[in-house]
Amino acid sequence: AQKITQTQPGMFVQEKEAVTLDCTYDTSDQSYGLFWYKQPSSGEMIFLIYQGSYDEQNATEGRYSLNFQKARKSANLVISASQLGDSAMYFCAMREGRNRDDKIIFGKGTRLHILP
Amino acid sequence: GAVVSQHPSWVICKSGTSVKIECRSLDFQATTMFWYRQFPKQSLMLMATSNEGSKATYEQGVEKDKFLINHASLTLSTLTVTSAHPEDSSFYICSARDGGGWGTEAFFGQGTRLTVV
Repeated sequence: AQKITQTQPGMFVQEKEAVTLDCTYDTSDQSYGLFWYKQPSSGEMIFLIYQGSYDEQNATEGRYSLNFQKARKSANLVISASQLGDSAMYFCAMREGRNRDDKIIFGKGTRLHILP
Repeated sequence: GAVVSQHPSWVICKSGTSVKIECRSLDFQATTMFWYRQFPKQSLMLMATSNEGSKATYEQGVEKDKFLINHASLTLSTLTVTSAHPEDSSFYICSARDGGGWGTEAFFGQGTRLTVV
């Protein structure tokens, strides 16, 4: 069964608008971490934001915020005031557990296109 | 943030040859590194977890004899694709975590684009 679900294969958004990328997850662990990564066409994986399962506040990093709804098992990424440089592939990911060797698994990704 | 360096960035090899990809943590010690594979327009699929000084843990369906992983030091893990075939052409990317515990994201190398002809 899929542990990370991203239902939006692609999105088109006008520059300067806010955008929400959806992510739902499935785990029976109490301790887990949720991540969002950006992958531009160059292929590198750029870390954007992290939310721990015990964090009560939604994580924020500059223009990025994570809308964490634990009961719904959702961890949507919100990008405010989108820019042309935000066009990329975005992956939601989860780590079950808190150990160094706990692996991170990825969703299928959402390709975001920012329109001028 | 921590830096993970991967080399080479791209490689073209003939079918039947072997290719080695290096993943180095430049400013931290990584007892664990992860190797992923990504086909075009698809997600990252975990291949194996590389543990310093011990055998790698492979995900189901990944051939350990084909994808040899060596993690001989705290800053270097290598992935060798043996007897490569065109279907092994893919984007391979490694990651490592700087320490354990909460909130430590995995840092990724730049990735290696392998083309087998």
